[in-house]
Amino acid sequence: KAGVTQTPRYLIKTRGQQVTLSCSPISGHRSVSWYQQTPGQGLQFLFEYFSETQRNKGNFPGRFSGRQFSNSRSEMNVSTLELGDSALYLCASSLDANRGKNIQYFGAGTRLSVL
Amino acid sequence: TQLLEQSPQFLSIQEGENLTVYCNSSSVFSSLQWYRQEPGEGPVLLVTVVTGGEVKKLKRLTFQFGDARKDSSLHITAAQPGDTGLYLCAGDVGAQKLVFGQGTRLTINP
Repeated sequence: KAGVTQTPRYLIKTRGQQVTLSCSPISGHRSVSWYQQTPGQGLQFLFEYFSETQRNKGNFPGRFSGRQFSNSRSEMNVSTLELGDSALYLCASSLDANRGKNIQYFGAGTRLSVL
Repeated sequence: TQLLEQSPQFLSIQEGENLTVYCNSSSVFSSLQWYRQEPGEGPVLLVTVVTGGEVKKLKRLTFQFGDARKDSSLHITAAQPGDTGLYLCAGDVGAQKLVFGQGTRLTINP
């Protein structure tokens, strides 16, 4: 069974631009979560989607948004990029994080550099 | 705000030594997970502990969940260079959300 796939692996953008990251979950997994990882803050929860609906959101500004499609694939978008948005963005999928143990499987991440 | 304090943040030891990493919180978690992350990769799940006092073993790695489900530890026996990596603990706080510790960057020197 294929794992969580994130594309692209690397991105370089300039301040003010916007960016879209993609995540394909493990087949059969319906919950997709997004995290931002930086050396200073560690892993921080962005949001979680299930059945095309955002069920939970972390403490990030509205510039960070996401969506989920009917096939469970998910995208996250960051508008008006700032230097501080440079980070590794990780996607994780699970069968259904709302029932039982919340076991999440992570992709390799997208490394975003904002210049 | 639930926080997970992980210690130590950095650890460099010689091959063959033993080590313990701690993950502490004032909050109760329904479960706690340990991950290992290699450079340029996403975290890989090592184990999930659910019951207070639970102990799980994965070869030379021993994981323990505190009786009150607020803390956990990871003990590695006879560390090997292949154990090098970033170890992360994550607490399940419900509402489809994991709270992560800052991580322990472990280096095992040959």
